Amino acid sequence: DAKTTQPNSMESNEEEPVHLPCNHSTISGTDYIHWYRQLPSQGPEYVIHGLTSNVNNRMASLAIAEDRKSSTLILHRATLRDAAVYYCILRDVWANNLFFGTGTRLTVIP
Amino acid sequence: GAVVSQHPSRVICKSGTSVKIECRSLDFQATTMFWYRQFPKQSLMLMATSNEGSKATYEQGVEKDKFLINHASLTLSTLTVTSAHPEDSSFYICSASPASLGEDTQYFGPGTRLTVL
Repeated sequence: DAKTTQPNSMESNEEEPVHLPCNHSTISGTDYIHWYRQLPSQGPEYVIHGLTSNVNNRMASLAIAEDRKSSTLILHRATLRDAAVYYCILRDVWANNLFFGTGTRLTVIP
Repeated sequence: GAVVSQHPSRVICKSGTSVKIECRSLDFQATTMFWYRQFPKQSLMLMATSNEGSKATYEQGVEKDKFLINHASLTLSTLTVTSAHPEDSSFYICSASPASLGEDTQYFGPGTRLTVL
């Protein structure tokens, strides 16, 4: 499976936008980019996913570089409830399993 | 949104006993369910993929005789930790994918915290 690289931790002030980067230089043409997050002592939660085009949903936006070797998860207004570990995962279109990396621990400062 | 439940949420057992954890998809059918293990301050590790009506596929290094998986229906998968030992203490999380074609999302349960004394 192609690997992803994320910063170990990031901080954001409450109500400010947050840009969480992910590098995936070995991504293949059939890999989707998935983002999940895990709040403390809970199971992960789906955030967003995309292939080539930028994606928006009610939780976040996903900006994908033109060469697809990196992507950025954007939380438009961070709240305290967004404090979690965010995982960027590549998943082949023909596969249905997810392999989690170490993720980015986001701290939101009131 | 799709909901996945796990039972129990917490379990404490003595060394040598077996523990069964249930994973249910409450409002959708799941042909495939997944089991993960997460140690403190670490990421999730995929243990096995469970397909309804067939044998589970285990990841490398996961003992299939120790971690028994049964996926008897489209809404229920169980993980049994046999002869549990303190090193099996962990947070066990399941996830499920809906049966519909083209569905990309996995829905995760809330996790089961196992403590083996």
